[in-house]
Amino acid sequence: DAMVIQNPRYQVTQFGKPVTLSCSQTLNHNVMYWYQQKSSQAPKLLFHYYDKDFNNEADTPDNFQSRRPNTSFCFLDIRSPGLGDAAMYLCATSRSPGASFGEQYFGPGTRLTVT
Amino acid sequence: QKEVEQNSGPLSVPEGAIASLNCTYSDRGSQSFFWYRQYSGKSPELIMSIYSNGDKEDGRFTAQLNKASQYVSLLIRDSQPSDSATYLCAVQEYGNKLVFGAGTILRVKS
Repeated sequence: DAMVIQNPRYQVTQFGKPVTLSCSQTLNHNVMYWYQQKSSQAPKLLFHYYDKDFNNEADTPDNFQSRRPNTSFCFLDIRSPGLGDAAMYLCATSRSPGASFGEQYFGPGTRLTVT
Repeated sequence: QKEVEQNSGPLSVPEGAIASLNCTYSDRGSQSFFWYRQYSGKSPELIMSIYSNGDKEDGRFTAQLNKASQYVSLLIRDSQPSDSATYLCAVQEYGNKLVFGAGTILRVKS
């Protein structure tokens, strides 16, 4: 089945220790998104790729970086995690232009804990 | 910053009843609207999309859109305990992005 896969599902890291979360998709969608979601809050968009075109949200901290080496894979790097970065990180994909952008397919998420 | 507002709930309904979830948005130019369901500890799942004024039905779900009032709703008929989840309203921004509401918690009691 076509899907969005995230690894790992749970990640524990130490304060200040870099961490990388990964996302892969078999849907062949052009657009890939990274969201941060904290308890009882809306998903917050960090950045997205439209093909290789990177789009950063204005309020995304510099501590967060992303890479998309090919259509299928996208990575989220947190260079120096703080306690406030503990959250669920969601990867999503969508197809090309138009209303389809709103029809997003989410991976299962990675729950990040910072100790 | 464009806003999407939802009542956080929880909204409690008995099994078999109609659950009505509401959402308002701030950008009058918005054209595309979505409802996502999110079970506790899981990721959001798209359940409905609506682009034109009026009603759109899909099984037990009906989405309603009123662009003049900047209002979108989701009706769930014959509610089941398995419908208990958080329902996120999302509005497409110009470009490739969605703005999500914080969600309404629905509890269906058997």
